Amino acid sequence: GEDVEQSLFLSVREGDSSVINCTYTDSSSTYLYWYKQEPGAGLQLLTYIFSNMDMKQDQRLTVLLNKKDKHLSLRIADTQTGDSAIYFCAESNNAGNMLTFGGGTRLMVKP
Amino acid sequence: SQTIHQWPATLVQPVGSPLSLECTVEGTSNPNLYWYRQAAGRGLQLLFYSVGIGQISSEVPQNLSASRPQDRQFILSSKKLLLSDSGFYLCAWSFSKGDTEAFFGQGTRLTVV
Repeated sequence: GEDVEQSLFLSVREGDSSVINCTYTDSSSTYLYWYKQEPGAGLQLLTYIFSNMDMKQDQRLTVLLNKKDKHLSLRIADTQTGDSAIYFCAESNNAGNMLTFGGGTRLMVKP
Repeated sequence: SQTIHQWPATLVQPVGSPLSLECTVEGTSNPNLYWYRQAAGRGLQLLFYSVGIGQISSEVPQNLSASRPQDRQFILSSKKLLLSDSGFYLCAWSFSKGDTEAFFGQGTRLTVV
């Protein structure tokens, strides 16, 4: 079955860039997502990328996709304390819109 | 605009008691509906999904069941809770066609004691 892997934890200083990495195994993945989960809350979609794209930029967020290596990354520029949260990578294929999630990366931003 | 409501936000239940979590979606018709569980220290796991009234697919064998009595209502149930059912439960919806983006509710933190 599909598998999505992420590192568990990342700590950065306020103002630095954060890079959260994700690898997946399903070669038929069509859409790849980054979700943010703040403490005690549901998931908020940050951004997504189609599998035929290499990069997508949205303000402070940059998503890079290496389809050959099945590697996805999320870069947050000028990281703020409000960016502290758990970030989930997810993928889906054309089969019914179901998402497979990674384990989440806890981002801690130190002032 | 579409909204999703999930309740309760937190729940503490004894082992062996029943469970009913409810999720409703407003502002759209015939959505795909999902229940996910996030166990402590683990990622999100898809439990059930539904593409229409009365149509439920289960992704993993477990102590839980789901029902969709109305187009925009999705219910997660258990007859007898186990300690291992503790976790954070998230309801989500997506459009039935096209865009595969999923929209999540605020979640229910269930603690079985």
